[in-house]
Amino acid sequence: DAGVIQSPRHEVTEMGQEVTLRCKPISGHNSLFWYRQTMMRGLELLIYFNNNVPIDDSGMPEDRFSAKMPNASFSTLKIQPSEPRDSAVYFCASSYNAGTGELFFGEGSRLTVL
Amino acid sequence: GENVEQHPSTLSVQEGDSAVIKCTYSDSASNYFPWYKQELGKGPQLIIDIRSNVGEKKDQRIAVTLNKTAKHFSLHITETQPEDSAVYFCAALTGNQFYFGTGTSLTVIP
Repeated sequence: DAGVIQSPRHEVTEMGQEVTLRCKPISGHNSLFWYRQTMMRGLELLIYFNNNVPIDDSGMPEDRFSAKMPNASFSTLKIQPSEPRDSAVYFCASSYNAGTGELFFGEGSRLTVL
Repeated sequence: GENVEQHPSTLSVQEGDSAVIKCTYSDSASNYFPWYKQELGKGPQLIIDIRSNVGEKKDQRIAVTLNKTAKHFSLHITETQPEDSAVYFCAALTGNQFYFGTGTSLTVIP
């Protein structure tokens, strides 16, 4: 299996621009998670989906962030408008079934907002 | 909610020595404890895990121990090698959510 696939790996944009991060989970996995990693706050859960349905989005910082999972093999995390404080590495992870363990991460998308 | 604390934040060992990283958790309902290794520029990679019905698990040079009564678990790496240098994260699963420690930066000195 190719593992969790994220794109883009690096994104540099200017403040106010829209950013879309993409994720393809491992085939057969029913749960998908979006995390943000910064030096100051470590790994923060933003949102997770189970069977394509958002279950917990309490970690989404504010209305500028939105996430969708239109089907079992694709998810997006969108930031509009982006701000410099959004600069971080964003990870997507998937699990066969949330609550049973074995969470697998993608390689991450490093976002820099100027 | 769950609170996971991880120590130390940095650790340097000589090649061939052992390294131990410790984590504590607060929620007795947590039932699964994975350890992740993150190399520079990469995503966290699952290296070993333990469930709450087991006290110890070993995989070659790495082992994890769990003390449910004291609510702590540890990662042990023996015969360390330079390629073990990375950031290691512990985590606890409570319900459907993973709670991560703040990471330990391990440096193995050749």
